[in-house]
Amino acid sequence: AQKVTQAQTEISVVEKEDVTLDCVYETRDTTYYLFWYKQPPSGELVFLIRRNSFDEQNEISGRYSWNFQKSTSSFNFTITASQVVDSAVYFCALSEARNSGGSNYKLTFGKGTLLTVNP
Amino acid sequence: GAGVSQSPSNKVTEKGKDVELRCDPISGHTALYWYRQSLGQGLEFLIYFQGNSAPDKSGLPSDRFSAERTGGSVSTLTIQRTQQEDSAVYLCASSLRTGGDSPLHFGNGTRLTVT
Repeated sequence: AQKVTQAQTEISVVEKEDVTLDCVYETRDTTYYLFWYKQPPSGELVFLIRRNSFDEQNEISGRYSWNFQKSTSSFNFTITASQVVDSAVYFCALSEARNSGGSNYKLTFGKGTLLTVNP
Repeated sequence: GAGVSQSPSNKVTEKGKDVELRCDPISGHTALYWYRQSLGQGLEFLIYFQGNSAPDKSGLPSDRFSAERTGGSVSTLTIQRTQQEDSAVYLCASSLRTGGDSPLHFGNGTRLTVT
């Protein structure tokens, strides 16, 4: 079974602080994908990044960076110089293949981390 | 282009009534998913459609829940004899293809309240 744990339920920071959101996953598959999604107060889930299990390179996109470590089954997300607009619920998710007569790459989500950035 | 469209955006119903929730995926997306988001519970997988293959219904919580996808496009999630614990936001998502690398694109959801 696959499982995603986001231990931080809520985080509150002051604008311009850096903040790291933790994600730990469990899977028996050797091939899988990890995702981060953002859900702002408007409610729509927005895709941020995808990482496959064979690529452990960290990634930076503007103020966002992701640290994928297979050895610790973690895929952490850091926001540098946070802004009020970053306030949202952030979800980490795992997708793995099930070879049951076909592929089903359903996503398993963590429970999310509510990030509040105060001015 | 147009994103995933869900209707209604809000639905209030009395306990015991049936409800239908509609999802219009992004044109050309072959995979369609339904998730449920309850307060503080994250996203719970309900059902998945891929082309003409049999849907994966493994996430449906009871036989009161059913879904269909007509013509490989629009999907309807039906909840019969609604209960208060069915109150949640029901999210639909589509993706371009089946594959773990294909991101899901979500609609804004239908907020269901069972009184």
